[in-house]
Amino acid sequence: DAMVIQNPRYQVTQFGKPVTLSCSQTLNHNVMYWYQQKSSQAPKLLFHYYDKDFNNEADTPDNFQSRRPNTSFCFLDIRSPGLGDAAMYLCATRGLAGPPYDEQFFGPGTRLTVL
Amino acid sequence: AQSVTQLDSQVPVFEEAPVELRCNYSSSVSVYLFWYVQYPNQGLQLLLKYLSGSTLVKGINGFEAEFNKSQTSFHLRKPSVHISDTAEYFCAVSASSNTGKLIFGQGTTLQVKP
Repeated sequence: DAMVIQNPRYQVTQFGKPVTLSCSQTLNHNVMYWYQQKSSQAPKLLFHYYDKDFNNEADTPDNFQSRRPNTSFCFLDIRSPGLGDAAMYLCATRGLAGPPYDEQFFGPGTRLTVL
Repeated sequence: AQSVTQLDSQVPVFEEAPVELRCNYSSSVSVYLFWYVQYPNQGLQLLLKYLSGSTLVKGINGFEAEFNKSQTSFHLRKPSVHISDTAEYFCAVSASSNTGKLIFGQGTTLQVKP
């Protein structure tokens, strides 16, 4: 089945130690999103790729970076994780064949713990 | 700018009872509205969406929602809930632009009791 895959599902890192979260998709979608969801809160968009074009949200901290080496893969890099970065990180995709308001397909998320 | 308010943080309900989860939005432009469900430790799954046309939208798992432009609401309903409906529900809005950015409400926890 076509899907959005996130690895790992659970990630533990130490304060200040760089960490990379991975997202891959078999949907061949052009747009990929990264959301941060803190406990009992709504998902918050960090940035998205429109093909290779990177679009950062204005309030996304510089500590968060992203790479998209090809259509299928997208990475979220946290350069120096702080305790406040502990959250669920959700990857989502959207195709361009449909309108901009078309459905986003979400992966299962990676839960990040910072010790 | 758009915003979404989900009026109830938690909704407890007994199995087989009806339920309504409330959502209000604000926007100065045309919007598209969505309801997503999130089961524990999982990603979000689309329940239904309103794009245009009929204001009553039917989705998966027996859910439906009604778009009310005058009241800027998009409440989610189900006539008879099951234990398996216990989850977090998010209302979201997307503005009529090319980014497809979703603005989510704070979520409502639906707790179905036997």
